[in-house]
Amino acid sequence: EIVLTQSPGTLSLSPGERATLSCRASQSVSSIYLAWYQQKLGQAPRLLIYGASSRATGIPDRFSGSGSGTDFTLTISRLEPEDFAVYYCQQYGSSLLTFGGGTKVELK
Amino acid sequence: EVQLVQSGPEVKKPGESLRISCKGSGYTFTTYWIGWVRQMPGKGLEWMGIIYPGGSDINYSPSFQGQVTISVDKSISTAYLQWGSLKASDTAMYYCARHGSYAYFDYWGQGTLLTVSS
Repeated sequence: EIVLTQSPGTLSLSPGERATLSCRASQSVSSIYLAWYQQKLGQAPRLLIYGASSRATGIPDRFSGSGSGTDFTLTISRLEPEDFAVYYCQQYGSSLLTFGGGTKVELK
Repeated sequence: EVQLVQSGPEVKKPGESLRISCKGSGYTFTTYWIGWVRQMPGKGLEWMGIIYPGGSDINYSPSFQGQVTISVDKSISTAYLQWGSLKASDTAMYYCARHGSYAYFDYWGQGTLLTVSS
C-alpha cells in the first residue's frame, strides 16, 4: 500500500500570500492517479486537482498542481479568505486508493 | 446535475447492525465507480472501498476488509455500506463519492453521521 505523507501539518498564512503544500509518496505514483481535495469545516471534500495538474471544473486558476514520481505539490498563488481549509492528496495504484493525512491552511 | 444523496444520521448501540445508502442521479449510474470514505471525528479521510455498479466489482481497503460490506442495487441507482455488528469505534462521518477511470472522486455525497454509543 502506498503511503502519502503531507507536509506541513499546518500552514499559517495571511490572505494574499502564497501557499505551497507537499505530498510525498512512499513509492512512485502515476501522475494520472494523483488528486487534491479541499475540505472546509462541516462540508464534504471538494475535488480541486486531478491527474496531478488538471484543475477540476470551476476551480480558480490560483490553484495549481505539479510534480511526478514520489513528490507532488499543490500551490495556491494568492490566498483568498475562502481558501482557509484542510487539503488532502490522494492516489490510486494496484487497486488500492489512499489519502494523505492532510494539511490545514489556517489564518495567521 | 450530478447528485449523490446519502441517508440520514444514525444513532446505534454497540452490536447492532446498520446499512446506510447513497443514491446517485443526474448521470448513468452504472458507468462510474462509487467509493466510501470514513472520517472519524477531527481526523482525516480514509478510503474504505469501491464498487462498480455496472458489474458489481468490489475492492476493499485492507483496513476495512471483513469489517464492512459494500453493495449496490443498480435498479434504483443506490449504493450501500453495511455493518453486521457495530462498535463504538465506528463512530464517524461516512461519505460516498463517484469516481471514473482515473480514480479521483469528482462528486461527493453530503455525508452520513454515525454515532455508536451505549
